[in-house]
Amino acid sequence: EAQVTQNPRYLITVTGKKLTVTCSQNMNHEYMSWYRQDPGLGLRQIYYSMNVEVTDKGDVPEGYKVSRKEKRNFPLILESPSPNQTSLYFCASSFTGARGQPQHFGDGTRLSIL
Amino acid sequence: TQLLEQSPQFLSIQEGENLTVYCNSSSVFSSLQWYRQEPGEGPVLLVTVVTGGEVKKLKRLTFQFGDARKDSSLHITAAQPGDTGLYLCAGVLPSGTYKYIFGTGTRLKVLA
Repeated sequence: EAQVTQNPRYLITVTGKKLTVTCSQNMNHEYMSWYRQDPGLGLRQIYYSMNVEVTDKGDVPEGYKVSRKEKRNFPLILESPSPNQTSLYFCASSFTGARGQPQHFGDGTRLSIL
Repeated sequence: TQLLEQSPQFLSIQEGENLTVYCNSSSVFSSLQWYRQEPGEGPVLLVTVVTGGEVKKLKRLTFQFGDARKDSSLHITAAQPGDTGLYLCAGVLPSGTYKYIFGTGTRLKVLA
């Protein structure tokens, strides 16, 4: 089954404790992206990747890191999480990222930072 | 930061009514997508429009891309309870960036 898998689905942690949210897709997609969703703000793009070893900043990259060492994986790293990063996070992938390509989303990771 | 503003933010209507959701920006987009999101799940693509003035129909849903490619609308005819959900528009910035800008969302509730 074609899917985007995020782990963990839920995480409660404390300020400053490094964490990684994993994202994996099994569709051989070149384009992958991370979003955060906050009430009243919609989804905001954090980082995206056009292909292996190619990443770029979205609208809200501050406080986040990403890497794309393999085509299928695109982890999101919070080196020193802060409470304002409490949010619902989504990973998405599409075939190339070019206009018109549908994005396939994971089911989300709800992150609470105390 | 480019913005995509959706209106209305919330909409509660009776089954059988018609409704229109608007998605507006001052930026030009190379394409625009509409997604629907259910609680506990990620957004799911409904449609992509790429040409200014384009109209696409998906059963009772009609999508239109503005002539200047800065705005879009979603019209639902004879809404049903199954249409309940969060509707999101997403614009792709002109070629070379591959950045997506999502709208603020419209939460629709259709009452039986």
